[in-house]
Amino acid sequence: KQEVTQIPAALSVPEGENLVLNCSFTDSAIYNLQWFRQDPGKGLTSLLLIQSSQREQTSGRLNASLDKSSGRSTLYIAASQPGDSATYLCAVSSNYQLIWGAGTKLIIKP
Amino acid sequence: DTGVSQDPRHKITKRGQNVTFRCDPISEHNRLYWYRQTLGQGPEFLTYFQNEAQLEKSRLLSDRFSAERPKGSFSTLEIQRTEQGDSAMYLCASSLVLSGLNTGELFFGEGSRLTVL
Repeated sequence: KQEVTQIPAALSVPEGENLVLNCSFTDSAIYNLQWFRQDPGKGLTSLLLIQSSQREQTSGRLNASLDKSSGRSTLYIAASQPGDSATYLCAVSSNYQLIWGAGTKLIIKP
Repeated sequence: DTGVSQDPRHKITKRGQNVTFRCDPISEHNRLYWYRQTLGQGPEFLTYFQNEAQLEKSRLLSDRFSAERPKGSFSTLEIQRTEQGDSAMYLCASSLVLSGLNTGELFFGEGSRLTVL
């Protein structure tokens, strides 16, 4: 059974710092991995999608990597801003559905 | 706006009442998913459609829950005889998948928050 873990559960850093969020999964047989952002009381915004054959994807200040063999993905955020404060969730695509981590709550202090 | 839209955004109801949520996916997307999310947790899969066919339904979904996608476009999620434990955010997502079990890239709506008193 696929399980997805995100560590840490919460992270608080000063503005301007680069940071890394971690996601691990137990079964490497995935189709893709997707990172999402969720603001309080809101829906989910897709940030990056990495197909199983890819190693990384980049969008602006965000870079996501995927290492299927070790069951890990990282989301790198460069030059963090207060507007980046949100909960970040990763999800792996496995057998028609996404299996989710519980998320990392990120706070960027001005 | 060509994203996924959900209606209503917030529903407050009394225990025992029926509620219905609507989801309009991105127009060219053939897959539609329903998830439920409670505070501090990741989304929980409820069901999904490929066009108008409901292909999978979570075992966690009681028979009080029913979903339809009659013409392969919009979908409705109905909860009958609501209970306080049904209070949650109900999320709809859509994707374009040509074949197989890959989910494709999911795009979510803003969610419908249900509060059962």
